[in-house]
Amino acid sequence: SQQGEEDPQALSIQEGENATMNCSYKTSINNLQWYRQNSGRGLVHLILIRSNEREKHSGRLRVTLDTSKKSSSLLITASRAADTASYFCATDGVGTYKYIFGTGTRLKVLA
Amino acid sequence: NAGVTQTPKFRVLKTGQSMTLLCAQDMNHEYMYWYRQDPGMGLRLIHYSVGEGTTAKGEVPDGYNVSRLKKQNFLLGLESAAPSQTSVYFCASTFSLSPGRPLNQPQHFGDGTRLSIL
Repeated sequence: SQQGEEDPQALSIQEGENATMNCSYKTSINNLQWYRQNSGRGLVHLILIRSNEREKHSGRLRVTLDTSKKSSSLLITASRAADTASYFCATDGVGTYKYIFGTGTRLKVLA
Repeated sequence: NAGVTQTPKFRVLKTGQSMTLLCAQDMNHEYMYWYRQDPGMGLRLIHYSVGEGTTAKGEVPDGYNVSRLKKQNFLLGLESAAPSQTSVYFCASTFSLSPGRPLNQPQHFGDGTRLSIL
């Protein structure tokens, strides 16, 4: 079963607006990662946040992690048409070597 | 840097045929993974390997076999293809700064193999 569930499943915004997507997971983690997937391509790593961190920034990306609620959010500020892609969260299982991916959020940024 | 390379990129098979998907990485990563991606279901782990000569089952291993004879290569085999195995298959690799400790590095993905079973 999927560990991570993203919300919303799809999001359509205008260029320049902010996009927020959420991820919920079920069990304890060491870290949570966000990936982007452009159409027809493999996943590309965006950001990793460890379980003892609450917030992390990378360029226009801001990730928060709330381990008490088992949830994370990815904020993309000042979105661009090039941000159009699917976004996935992935969690590692404590004591395992596996990552578990959510079902993804499809983001469409309209120019 | 090639990163993770998957071959072939596309393949059409008939039910019952067999084939092998090849994944090669040039980053000296210990850990390698095979996923399948179906519409609306995200990525599901098929098999993975924590080092040369070792393999383990993931979430959806039935109908697939794997081998990791060389550190840089991870092969996924379909012995008798079924239409339910029509999917996009992704290979990924990663490493840990402390072997045996929790995974703390991102995964690197190939661009996928699009497989259709008729």
